[in-house]
Amino acid sequence: DTAVSQTPKYLVTQMGNDKSIKCEQNLGHDTMYWYKQDSKKFLKIMFSYNNKELIINETVPNRFSPKSPDKAHLNLHINSLELGDSAVYFCASSQDRAGSGGSPLHFGNGTRLTVT
Amino acid sequence: SQKIEQNSEALNIQEGKTATLTCNYTNYSPAYLQWYRQDPGRGPVFLLLIRENEKEKRKERLKVTFDTTLKQSLFHITASQPADSATYLCALALYSGNTPLVFGKGTRLSVIA
Repeated sequence: DTAVSQTPKYLVTQMGNDKSIKCEQNLGHDTMYWYKQDSKKFLKIMFSYNNKELIINETVPNRFSPKSPDKAHLNLHINSLELGDSAVYFCASSQDRAGSGGSPLHFGNGTRLTVT
Repeated sequence: SQKIEQNSEALNIQEGKTATLTCNYTNYSPAYLQWYRQDPGRGPVFLLLIRENEKEKRKERLKVTFDTTLKQSLFHITASQPADSATYLCALALYSGNTPLVFGKGTRLSVIA
């Protein structure tokens, strides 16, 4: 059973398009995240939700909008895609809120987004 | 400004030797530090956590140390094997409950048979 699953694994699209990435976790965790890993391999937090409530919103263009229909799902919608959005996007979950308790993050296997 | 540095981008080591990876940080007072392993095309996988009041943690062939005076964590893999080849990431967390984990860039370890 996959603990954190995200779809699609690969996404190739043209500039200006709108796309979504879906994420689901079956671990019963309360907190979910979106991280971006760029070509230099830095993993940067984008958003975090705790029980469907947005708790972390880093400096991300407002073309990126997360949606959490329930605590097991956190989707990422991106409007008007730009070349610089090309990266690998990782969904993750943890038992506790971000930074508290030391709960480890459980990551999905990433969505490689290529904008042409 | 706050920085996390894993000072080797890549590390090659002979099978059977001990691999030592370094994570340094500045302008942070972390509550704890975590280490993750990332294989190509996969998400990071949690390995170990060490809290600020702990000096050392072990798990099988893995050992982590945490020196808050030096602002440094060392990650050791003893009796290294080719299967240990991967990128290893350190991540810091502050006390605030809404502060996200901040990741270093990682060190790519290659264990040569």
